[in-house]
Amino acid sequence: DTGVSQNPRHKITKRGQNVTFRCDPISEHNRLYWYRQTLGQGPEFLTYFQNEAQLEKSRLLSDRFSAERPKGSFSTLEIQRTEQGDSAMYLCASSLERGMGPQHFGDGTRLSIL
Amino acid sequence: AQKVTQAQTEISVVEKEDVTLDCVYETRDTTYYLFWYKQPPSGELVFLIRRNSFDEQNEISGRYSWNFQKSTSSFNFTITASQVVDSAVYFCALSEKTSGSRLTFGEGTQLTVNP
Repeated sequence: DTGVSQNPRHKITKRGQNVTFRCDPISEHNRLYWYRQTLGQGPEFLTYFQNEAQLEKSRLLSDRFSAERPKGSFSTLEIQRTEQGDSAMYLCASSLERGMGPQHFGDGTRLSIL
Repeated sequence: AQKVTQAQTEISVVEKEDVTLDCVYETRDTTYYLFWYKQPPSGELVFLIRRNSFDEQNEISGRYSWNFQKSTSSFNFTITASQVVDSAVYFCALSEKTSGSRLTFGEGTQLTVNP
């Protein structure tokens, strides 16, 4: 059973550019989550999907952020017109819906804005 | 609103000492779940344990044990006979049934175990 896979591991970009991250969840997990973690802080919830439906979005998810999960498998998180404050680790997690299964996290994508 | 507080920012111990990491939570729900995750220097969050609000039985797994007390809204984590490999940031997290699946994390406790 492979774990949650995220790529790229690192992304360096200039302010104002668009970036897209990908997350492949554990295959049998129907829930997929995105979190953001800045240095010295705990992860903060951004959004989650149950199958292909995006069920909840945090206020942290400004209109520059969009997430998709076509066909209920992998997910992408896009940030448009990146800003310095977007620099963070972006974490993806997946879980089973049944029994409030624990969320299992990927290694994350570290975004650095120049 | 849900909130998790980990008052200990950093803890440093010598190998083989016992160490307890504190976690206090706030919730209005009667049904909720509590979690502990470990984040080693490599960065990946590793799931350690989940408890639901109806099960206050303490749990032991090897050198790890957890003490859940609803009366004090605490879910503390003890490592017995600590080892250098236990060095990591440990996060406590809360999920409420009524707020979907989101996890609310505390700010974490950096544990350093010195040889």
